[in-house]
Amino acid sequence: DAGVTQSPTHLIKTRGQQVTLRCSPKSGHDTVSWYQQALGQGPQFIFQYYEEEERQRGNFPDRFSGHQFPNYSSELNVNALLLGDSALYLCASSRSRTGERDTQYFGPGTRLTVL
Amino acid sequence: DAKTTQPPSMDCAEGRAANLPCNHSTISGNEYVYWYRQIHSQGPQYIIHGLKNNETNEMASLIITEDRKSSTLILPHATLRDTAVYYCIVRVTNQGGKLIFGQGTELSVKP
Repeated sequence: DAGVTQSPTHLIKTRGQQVTLRCSPKSGHDTVSWYQQALGQGPQFIFQYYEEEERQRGNFPDRFSGHQFPNYSSELNVNALLLGDSALYLCASSRSRTGERDTQYFGPGTRLTVL
Repeated sequence: DAKTTQPPSMDCAEGRAANLPCNHSTISGNEYVYWYRQIHSQGPQYIIHGLKNNETNEMASLIITEDRKSSTLILPHATLRDTAVYYCIVRVTNQGGKLIFGQGTELSVKP
């Protein structure tokens, strides 16, 4: 059973560019959450997708957007990249049941470097 | 802000039990205590969670005090591979249940 997968593993962009990160959830999971982890910090919640809609959002600007596809996979898009967007981007998947979100399982992350 | 307080670092001898404390004095009745760990530059790994009873699985045990204001994660026989940052998180599972990470405890297991 494949766990949560993310692509690409590493990415280098320059300021002002746009980037798309991808996530495939664990088998049987229908909810995807995205987190940003700056160096030396704990992960920070960006947003969560369920039934192809954004359900919760953390304190991130509109430059951060996402999408969930019918097969439950998800994309994170970041526009107008800033140096401060350099971080490890983590995807976590979980299973919804009767209005609750079950335990979140994380992927290995995408390391984004903005030059 | 994270609703938990953990010591920034701890050491443990290989083969001994590692006991990682966590304070969550403002926890609400419907909030669970979750533990994750993160080995350098990898994604966080789920360890265990509980509401009010003690829990045990193949990785660890979770002891929650009766007033639920603190908990302890126990790794019964620590190995070098248990060296990681351990995060204690309180989480409401309904309505999304986002995880709010603090700084965690950096556990160093030494030979």
